[in-house]
Amino acid sequence: DAKTTQPPSMDCAEGRAANLPCNHSTISGNEYVYWYRQIHSQGPQYIIHGLKNNETNEMASLIITEDRKSSTLILPHATLRDTAVYYCIVEAAGNKLTFGGGTRVLVKP
Amino acid sequence: GAVVSQHPSWVICKSGTSVKIECRSLDFQATTMFWYRQFPKQSLMLMATSNEGSKATYEQGVEKDKFLINHASLTLSTLTVTSAHPEDSSFYICSARAAGVGGNEQFFGPGTRLTVL
Repeated sequence: DAKTTQPPSMDCAEGRAANLPCNHSTISGNEYVYWYRQIHSQGPQYIIHGLKNNETNEMASLIITEDRKSSTLILPHATLRDTAVYYCIVEAAGNKLTFGGGTRVLVKP
Repeated sequence: GAVVSQHPSWVICKSGTSVKIECRSLDFQATTMFWYRQFPKQSLMLMATSNEGSKATYEQGVEKDKFLINHASLTLSTLTVTSAHPEDSSFYICSARAAGVGGNEQFFGPGTRLTVL
């Protein structure tokens, strides 16, 4: 059973913020939310992860709701190079990662 | 930091031959490495988990005698596809994890595209 639900695709405008939602209503207390992305024909790239608090790094921000049942990945200023499939994964630290279908993001000029 | 390489990046082989793919962590020691397979327009499927110095743990449905995994050192894991057939043609991706390197997240290699004729 999939632990996360993501929209299959979304478009966003270059230069604007891209908000990628992820539902994980059955998340356990010890499970983290991880985000990876995969640009065409490349290996996945780690973006960010969090447990309870919102997180920010040079690539993105991760907003986790207070009940932890959903989260949003924010790319603050999307560029054409951000076009990729974005995967939201919920897993306990140290466990193997299970990839779902992800969200195919197309950044348009 | 946290760079993972794979070699070769692509390979074409004849049906029935064996192919070895290498996965190296370049700037950290990987206690655990993972092997994934990805078919066109599909997501990554975990094949096996390998810990340095021990036997790999294979996911259900993955033939351990066909996909041989060796994790002989903390920086190198190899996947050998034995007696390859056209249905084994896929994008093979490895990842490595080490505690203390940015947490427990995995770092992925660039992938190896295998085509079996």
